[in-house]
Amino acid sequence: DGGITQSPKYLFRKEGQNVTLSCEQNLNHDAMYWYRQDPGQGLRLIYYSQIVNDFQKGDIAEGYSVSREKKESFPLTVTSAQKNPTAFYLCATTWDRFSYGYTFGSGTRLTVV
Amino acid sequence: GQQLNQSPQSMFIQEGEDVSMNCTSSSIFNTWLWYKQDPGEGPVLLIALYKAGELTSNGRLTAQFGITRKDSFLNISASIPSDVGIYFCAGLGTSGTYKYIFGTGTRLKVLA
Repeated sequence: DGGITQSPKYLFRKEGQNVTLSCEQNLNHDAMYWYRQDPGQGLRLIYYSQIVNDFQKGDIAEGYSVSREKKESFPLTVTSAQKNPTAFYLCATTWDRFSYGYTFGSGTRLTVV
Repeated sequence: GQQLNQSPQSMFIQEGEDVSMNCTSSSIFNTWLWYKQDPGEGPVLLIALYKAGELTSNGRLTAQFGITRKDSFLNISASIPSDVGIYFCAGLGTSGTYKYIFGTGTRLKVLA
């Protein structure tokens, strides 16, 4: 079964800690994206990558970092510089026919404790 | 960053009623998508639209690509309790971009 796997489903972070959210896909899709979702605000783009070893900042990249060393993987690190990290994080992929839209993972809910 | 305007923001309806929602933009789009998100899950694609004026159905769902290319509409007929969730529109622009712009979502609650 092809799909996107995000882990963990729930994550708790202490103040000042970095945490990494995992996103793995076996769809052989080229492009991968990270979105942040807050109540009532829709989806906001954090980072995206169209090919391996290349990625671009989205609209709210401050306090986040990514890597794309493999086609299948696009991990997101939420650093201590992100002052309000509590949110629902969604990973998405698409292949080179972008008009077909994104396939989303099931999300990771990050809470600062 | 740009976001699309969706309305209404939320709605309560009785089971069996029809539902309409829309999405508007100041920019022209080549593709419109409609997604549904269940609580605690990722959005799932419902309908994709590729041409101005296009009307596409998926079961009880019907969506239209506005003729101005700046808006899109989603209708749900004879709503049922499992229609509960957040409905998002998304648009793909004309400038060779690889990023979809998402609407702010319409939260639907169905009263049995």
